[in-house]
Amino acid sequence: AQKITQTQPGMFVQEKEAVTLDCTYDTSDPSYGLFWYKQPSSGEMIFLIYQGSYDQQNATEGRYSLNFQKARKSANLVISASQLGDSAMYFCAMREGRGTSYDKVIFGPGTSLSVIP
Amino acid sequence: DADVTQTPRNRITKTGKRIMLECSQTKGHDRMYWYRQDPGLGLQLIYYSFDVKDINKGEISDGYSVSRQAQAKFSLSLESAIPNQTALYFCATSATSGKVDEQFFGPGTRLTVL
Repeated sequence: AQKITQTQPGMFVQEKEAVTLDCTYDTSDPSYGLFWYKQPSSGEMIFLIYQGSYDQQNATEGRYSLNFQKARKSANLVISASQLGDSAMYFCAMREGRGTSYDKVIFGPGTSLSVIP
Repeated sequence: DADVTQTPRNRITKTGKRIMLECSQTKGHDRMYWYRQDPGLGLQLIYYSFDVKDINKGEISDGYSVSRQAQAKFSLSLESAIPNQTALYFCATSATSGKVDEQFFGPGTRLTVL
C-alpha cells in the first residue's frame, strides 16, 4: 500500500501567488516525522520543512509552511509569494519507527511545480 | 566541503559489468540510505543501514548489494548491471538523536547502463 500519496503530478502557479501542494500519508506509528524536499532541474535534494507528529503548531520556514492535519493524515506544503526559482519537483516524505529496526524514510511520487511569470 | 559525498558523480557502463557507488559522510550520523530515482519519479529505497552491523533491504533491493565499511561509509554495488538500472542514485544520512528527522542527501550519481 502506498504510504505517501501526492495526487498532483503537475501544478502551475502565477508568480507572486500562493500555492498548496497536497500530501497524505499512512502510518500506524504514533511517532513520526513529515518533511518536504525540493528538487530543481539540477537534481539535488533540498530540505524545506519538517513537522513532527507531536508538534502542536504547524511548521513554518520563511515562505514555506506545512498545513498539518493529523486526523486527516495530511501534510500539505504551502508556498507563499511564488518565485520563478520555485519551479521544481517537490517531494513529501515520512520517517516512521525512529530508533527501531524499521526506522526508514519513505518518499511520495512528487509534484512538479511550474511558476509562470 | 560537502557533508555527504558520492563518487562517481556520473558513470556510463555496459550490461553485465560490476559497478560500485560510494558514499561518505562527515555528519557523524548512524543511519545511511541508498535510493534510486527514475526519470520523473520519486525516490525508491534500495537499502538502509543503522550501523556497520545492521543492513536492511528496502523496497527494491533485487540486483543490488551494499557494504557498510565504517560508520561514515556506505557503498552500493550492482553485481551485473542491466539497462533498467539506469537511474539517479542518492545516498542519504540521518541521526537517531536530535529533534528533526531530516535526511541529508548527497549530490547524486547518474548511472547509465548501455
